[in-house]
Amino acid sequence: EPEVTQTPSHQVTQMGQEVILRCVPISNHLYFYWYRQILGQKVEFLVSFYNNEISEKSEIFDDQFSVERPDGSNFTLKIRSTKLEDSAMYFCASSGRGDTEAFFGQGTRLTVV
Amino acid sequence: AQSVTQLDSQVPVFEEAPVELRCNYSSSVSVYLFWYVQYPNQGLQLLLKYLSGSTLVKGINGFEAEFNKSQTSFHLRKPSVHISDTAEYFCAVSDWSGGYQKVTFGIGTKLQVIP
Repeated sequence: EPEVTQTPSHQVTQMGQEVILRCVPISNHLYFYWYRQILGQKVEFLVSFYNNEISEKSEIFDDQFSVERPDGSNFTLKIRSTKLEDSAMYFCASSGRGDTEAFFGQGTRLTVV
Repeated sequence: AQSVTQLDSQVPVFEEAPVELRCNYSSSVSVYLFWYVQYPNQGLQLLLKYLSGSTLVKGINGFEAEFNKSQTSFHLRKPSVHISDTAEYFCAVSDWSGGYQKVTFGIGTKLQVIP
């Protein structure tokens, strides 16, 4: 069964460093998303991406964040200069046209020290 | 705008007892409804979903949920829980308004099964 894969599963980075979280969406999907879950809190929408541009972003998704689909298969989330409060589980998701659900990856746990 | 309310942040229940995890939603358009389970230090796993049709939906691991449009609820139930059901459960709604699918999650309910 096709699935969304995310790498790495866990990343530790120093405050102020740039990180790139990688996702491979399901191959024929057109819509891509990032969500974030701070430890002990709910899963929050960050950004949606379609046709090589951002469809919507939340207030969390400030100038420190960017997304890219560099090569037609990967979908990346970059955090330019990480802060302690960026520590969270980041979920990638994708969906196809007319799909009734978004398919989530297993997440990348980002720890900023 | 859509929202999801999970009324119970924690639910302790004895093993083999029944459990109900409550979820209410609000949305201005037709929505799809989901329950996800998250085991400690793991990702989200889809338990079940309601798209249309029968209001009683059966999912994995013996869980089921009932969609009630008049009460805007989608409560999750299991007749007899196991220790392995200890996890956090998230109710979610999604729709295609705005030209893309947006999923809104509830705050989660921690189910603690007591031996």
